[in-house]
Amino acid sequence: GAGVSQTPSNKVTEKGKYVELRCDPISGHTALYWYRQSLGQGPEFLIYFQGTGAADDSGLPNDRFFAVRPEGSVSTLKIQRTERGDSAVYLCASSSIAGGGVQYFGAGTRLSVL
Amino acid sequence: AQSVAQPEDQVNVAEGNPLTVKCTYSVSGNPYLFWYVQYPNRGLQFLLKYITGDNLVKGSYGFEAEFNKSQTSFHLKKPSALVSDSALYFCAVSNAGNNRKLIWGLGTSLAVNP
Repeated sequence: GAGVSQTPSNKVTEKGKYVELRCDPISGHTALYWYRQSLGQGPEFLIYFQGTGAADDSGLPNDRFFAVRPEGSVSTLKIQRTERGDSAVYLCASSSIAGGGVQYFGAGTRLSVL
Repeated sequence: AQSVAQPEDQVNVAEGNPLTVKCTYSVSGNPYLFWYVQYPNRGLQFLLKYITGDNLVKGSYGFEAEFNKSQTSFHLKKPSALVSDSALYFCAVSNAGNNRKLIWGLGTSLAVNP
């Protein structure tokens, strides 16, 4: 596709449930990033993939959060035992080596944990 | 530790007047600096970046930014504001290394009044 695609655009779940958020990066982009943005805040880094491997997962808040990118393209962010504090907009971005570090963002997935 | 400060929560300017949105940063080593804009219910859009070279960089929609190493600042500017420039603006920094995770400011809401 032409841009970064994130699905679903909105997700409402109950406390304690498991959720998966999907990101489809720009074709050919080797780097993929997940960020989380709470209301009134700037994005907060979660994890960064270079190809299939997680190059930096230092932003994952705890072991309930996990992300994969098995074929070096689509990535899934997985959240177990969701808590109300997980409610936020989850942003995905991708970048290319030739792009000078510019990250291109999807529209985000708004997660609401009731 | 890397950090970004956007000291103004909101900036108000009249249409046709020049605008400045301020950003200061702290990073070890050489910084990569970025400005993004966020419209309601839309993803973050890249405006411009500084990596190396001229301190004045020009970007999309007539925006420019000036890198000042001694003041560790990267203020966003536009000579003549438009009502359509009203949006949320984010400054971000990454360390010029292999790890390109972005550290973000809290954002500045720009309101351009007709």
